[in-house]
Amino acid sequence: GAVVSQHPSWVICKSGTSVKIECRSLDFQATTMFWYRQFPKQSLMLMATSNEGSKATYEQGVEKDKFLINHASLTLSTLTVTSAHPEDSSFYICSAKSAGALVTEAFFGQGTRLTVV
Amino acid sequence: AQSVTQLGSHVSVSEGALVLLRCNYSSSVPPYLFWYVQYPNQGLQLLLKYTTGATLVKGINGFEAEFKKSETSFHLTKPSAHMSDAAEYFCAVMYSSASKIIFGSGTRLSIRP
Repeated sequence: GAVVSQHPSWVICKSGTSVKIECRSLDFQATTMFWYRQFPKQSLMLMATSNEGSKATYEQGVEKDKFLINHASLTLSTLTVTSAHPEDSSFYICSAKSAGALVTEAFFGQGTRLTVV
Repeated sequence: AQSVTQLGSHVSVSEGALVLLRCNYSSSVPPYLFWYVQYPNQGLQLLLKYTTGATLVKGINGFEAEFKKSETSFHLTKPSAHMSDAAEYFCAVMYSSASKIIFGSGTRLSIRP
């Protein structure tokens, strides 16, 4: 299957600073990327959907000014958590899929554990 | 609203016993259906998926799932549990190739020796 690489796998940052997480599709062109957030022992909650070259579509309740998403190329999307606070500590997972009516699968990165201290 | 429901947040079975994890979706139009497994602090691994065609889908690690339209279900089974199957399992749906993937709440599978 296709490979999605997410970096870093874990990061610790001080409260008030910003953190950038990268999501790369290594062997296919990802026209759409999804960013999820997962709290301990909970499911994945979709934060936003981004299409290459377009502004991301955020789910209800997700602050677009706090979670900046950029999808400038067909192989890279980034999530920047701005002015991070301890409550932003979570596991963030990206997912990518290519275009086409026959495409029925998205591929997931290995996740990023963010801890804000 | 479109949703997916996993019955049972925690399932415990003995090693060698049948594994049954339940998943139901809400839609009048059959969606694409997926089962993923997640090990601690890791991303998701696709076990199997249903798109069209045969309703009994075989996946990796001996898992299979059957799409039952009349019951709007897509339960995951494995005839004989192994200790390495202990993980979190997520059922997910996608209502078109252009839509987002919606996840169920997850079921934690524990295996007793």
